[in-house]
Amino acid sequence: GQSLEQPSEVTAVEGAIVQINCTYQTSGFYGLSWYQQHDGGAPTFLSYNALDGLEETGRFSSFLSRSDSYGYLLLQELQMKDSASYFCAVKVSNQGGKLIFGQGTELSVKP
Amino acid sequence: NAGVTQTPKFRVLKTGQSMTLLCAQDMNHEYMYWYRQDPGMGLRLIHYSVGEGTTAKGEVPDGYNVSRLKKQNFLLGLESAAPSQTSVYFCASRVELGQNEQFFGPGTRLTVL
Repeated sequence: GQSLEQPSEVTAVEGAIVQINCTYQTSGFYGLSWYQQHDGGAPTFLSYNALDGLEETGRFSSFLSRSDSYGYLLLQELQMKDSASYFCAVKVSNQGGKLIFGQGTELSVKP
Repeated sequence: NAGVTQTPKFRVLKTGQSMTLLCAQDMNHEYMYWYRQDPGMGLRLIHYSVGEGTTAKGEVPDGYNVSRLKKQNFLLGLESAAPSQTSVYFCASRVELGQNEQFFGPGTRLTVL
C-alpha cells in the first residue's frame, strides 16, 4: 500500500518558525513535493526534493531524508497569510509524474 | 494566460444522472490530471493523461471515464452519478520534462443527491 503521514493541525504565532513533518511508505519514490491550499481553493506548488538535503526558497525550506522516508516543510517568519493547509506528496512514478498526497496539515497562525 | 480553468464551478446532480467536467489549459502542457478531494483528506488521483489521445487510471478510477481528444482539454465523465461521488474535483497540468510543479485549476464542487 501507499501511505503518507503528516500532523492534522499545527498552531503557531506570527513571526515564529514552524515545521510540518511528513513520513511516507510508498511502492515507488522519485521525490517529495509540498503544496499549499487556502480555504479549499487551488493547491499551489511550494517545493520539490528529489535528493537528500535542504532546499530553501525565501521563507520556506523543504528537507528530505530518503533513508528515513521522511521530509519536512519549514516555514520561517510566519505571517497571517500562511494560515492554510499544507500537503506533502510523493512522486511515485516517472511515467506521468503520478503523485500520492498526504491528508494535509492545517496551519493556523495566531497574532 | 488563464492557466488551468474548470467548468462548471458548482453542480448538483441527482443519483443516476450523468455529467461531464471540462478542464482546459493554455500552457501547452503534456500531462494532465483529475483529482478528487474529500473533507479532511488529501487529493486522490482519478485518471491522468501523458499526452493527446492517451489516458490512464489513477488511484480511484471506478465510476469515472476520461478523454483527451485535444492537448489543451481533459474531460472527466460521470456516467451514473452516486452520492459517494460528492466531492471537490481538481484538474491539474504539468510540463512533460524538467519541472515537477503541477498547476491546479480552481475546482468543481459537485453534490450528488
